[in-house]
Amino acid sequence: AQTVTQSQPEMSVQEAETVTLSCTYDTSESDYYLFWYKQPPSRQMILVIRQEAYKQQNATENRFSVNFQKAAKSFSLKISDSQLGDAAMYFCAYRPGGGSQGNLIFGKGTKLSVKP
Amino acid sequence: DAGITQSPRHKVTETGTPVTLRCHQTENHRYMYWYRQDPGHGLRLIHYSYGVKDTDKGEVSDGYSVSRSKTEDFLLTLESATSSQTSVYFCAISESGGPNEKLFFGSGTQLSVL
Repeated sequence: AQTVTQSQPEMSVQEAETVTLSCTYDTSESDYYLFWYKQPPSRQMILVIRQEAYKQQNATENRFSVNFQKAAKSFSLKISDSQLGDAAMYFCAYRPGGGSQGNLIFGKGTKLSVKP
Repeated sequence: DAGITQSPRHKVTETGTPVTLRCHQTENHRYMYWYRQDPGHGLRLIHYSYGVKDTDKGEVSDGYSVSRSKTEDFLLTLESATSSQTSVYFCAISESGGPNEKLFFGSGTQLSVL
């Protein structure tokens, strides 16, 4: 069974600094997709960034980028120039490329605090 | 923002009573999903639907049933609520269900079973 592990329950960063959130996953599949979701206090889950496993190039979205290491099954999120609005829970998620369309598997989350 | 409305936003109920949560979308998306979120766990899939009257089970489907009689509405029912079903429930939608496709989430329903 696929699993997603976020080893950092909480992280803290100074405003304008850079922070990296860790995520590892376990799968025997070769075709899959990885995501980072943000959950602010409003509770709504918001997609931050996604990565296709078949792409070697790391995905970037403005201040957000990932370090995707397929052999190591690692998928970390880097937030540059951190802003107060980045404070939230961040969830790493995995989705297989085939089979059941519904099964998005989430890690337990990392709570990010941003200090002014 | 995607047009997803979950109702109610909060509910308190007693053990053994039936509960129905509603997810309504205005995006005409084919796929709809129900997740639960508990402390110490990420979101876990309960059930999902890939069309009107077409549903399938997720990872934690025991004790839950769903129905989808219209494209826009996806109902989650707890036939006899238990305290272990106290959780935050999220509905999500996607246009075609592709693995790389973006999911849009509702704001959640906080359910407390006493």
